[in-house]
Amino acid sequence: EAQVTQNPRYLITVTGKKLTVTCSQNMNHEYMSWYRQDPGLGLRQIYYSMNVEVTDKGDVPEGYKVSRKEKRNFPLILESPSPNQTSLYFCASSPRTGAYNEQFFGPGTRLTVL
Amino acid sequence: AQSVTQLDSHVSVSEGTPVLLRCNYSSSYSPSLFWYVQHPNKGLQLLLKYTSAATLVKGINGFEAEFKKSETSFHLTKPSAHMSDAAEYFCVVSFPGANNLFFGTGTRLTVIP
Repeated sequence: EAQVTQNPRYLITVTGKKLTVTCSQNMNHEYMSWYRQDPGLGLRQIYYSMNVEVTDKGDVPEGYKVSRKEKRNFPLILESPSPNQTSLYFCASSPRTGAYNEQFFGPGTRLTVL
Repeated sequence: AQSVTQLDSHVSVSEGTPVLLRCNYSSSYSPSLFWYVQHPNKGLQLLLKYTSAATLVKGINGFEAEFKKSETSFHLTKPSAHMSDAAEYFCVVSFPGANNLFFGTGTRLTVIP
């Protein structure tokens, strides 16, 4: 089944403890992206990647890192999480960049930073 | 500047009555427009998309949307609401040359039995 998977789905952690949220897609998509969703703000893009080893900042990149060593994986790294990073995170992928392409979303990761 | 605005944060309708979720965009360019739906505790699913072909776009589950360039709008409609339509709906815009999508802030649809 074609899908985007994220792990973990739920995570509670403490300030400053490094964490990684994994994202994987099995559709051979070139484009991958991370979003955070906060009440009243919709989805805001954190980072995106147009292909292996090509990443760029979205609208809210501060406090996050990403890497794209393989086409299928796009992990999101929080080196020193803070409470304002408590949010619902979505990974998405798309066949290619460009205005017409639908993005396929993972199920989401709910992160709480205490 | 390019942006997308969903005019209502919450819409409530009775089952069997029409649904109208409003979306306006601001752009100097011809955009691609999408509506996504998010059911509780789920990811986002594409309902429909407009990419410069027919201005009336039909999507899944009986939804449709009409692109009106003169009004810079892309409102989502459905003739008869079903209980399973209760969800959050996002209007999303992409612009030529852009590598990302612009999301509206979402409209929560409640369907009253």
